[in-house]
Amino acid sequence: QLQLQESGPGLVKPSETLSLTCTVSGGPISSSGYYWGWIRQPPGKGLEWIGSIYYSGRTYYNPSLKSRVTLSVDTSKNQFSLKLRSVTAADTAVYYCARLKLLNFDYWGQGTLVTVSS
Amino acid sequence: DIQMTQSPSSLSASVGDRVTITCRASQSISSNLNWYQQKAGKAPKLLIYGASTLQSGVPSRFSGSGSGTDFTLTISSLQPEDFAIYYCQQTYSTPPTFGQGTKVEIK
Repeated sequence: QLQLQESGPGLVKPSETLSLTCTVSGGPISSSGYYWGWIRQPPGKGLEWIGSIYYSGRTYYNPSLKSRVTLSVDTSKNQFSLKLRSVTAADTAVYYCARLKLLNFDYWGQGTLVTVSS
Repeated sequence: DIQMTQSPSSLSASVGDRVTITCRASQSISSNLNWYQQKAGKAPKLLIYGASTLQSGVPSRFSGSGSGTDFTLTISSLQPEDFAIYYCQQTYSTPPTFGQGTKVEIK
């Protein structure tokens, strides 16, 4: 059974960089045809796709966040990561990692709350 | 970006009721529409993809229909475990976008 687990700091200061890692278990991140992505959900609000990455390193980003986001992948560790720069309070959210087939998010991590506050 | 609008935003229903949720896209998306269920404090769960195909393991009381711009999610007989927030998501183009959610509450 495929499992995804987010990890990283739960508190980030304004203007700093949010960094999260998703560890995939139960299957290789290099599976053909699957992308790996990040989605966030501000408290009490809806879902926003941040970006996706293939094991080869090919990336797609949400244009609304593209200037501040970098995704990376480490196939040796079966992990992929998110960096979001210059954060503000508006970036406070639960961050989920997920597997995508086409644009279907079929496996999700449990989510991790990241609060931006000084 | 393609805007997804769900209605209603919330509804109250009883166990055994038939429930219908609507999702409208700001442009035609063919059948590129998914439905997710999110319970409190949990990650969303994929219920239906391609507008009408049930994800493996999802009970048959869930069904989806529609194409173009108008879609529906139907729960034929609401069960206690179905009280949750439901989201639609278009997979027609990047960025994938979600509806604002429909909260199904106990009457």
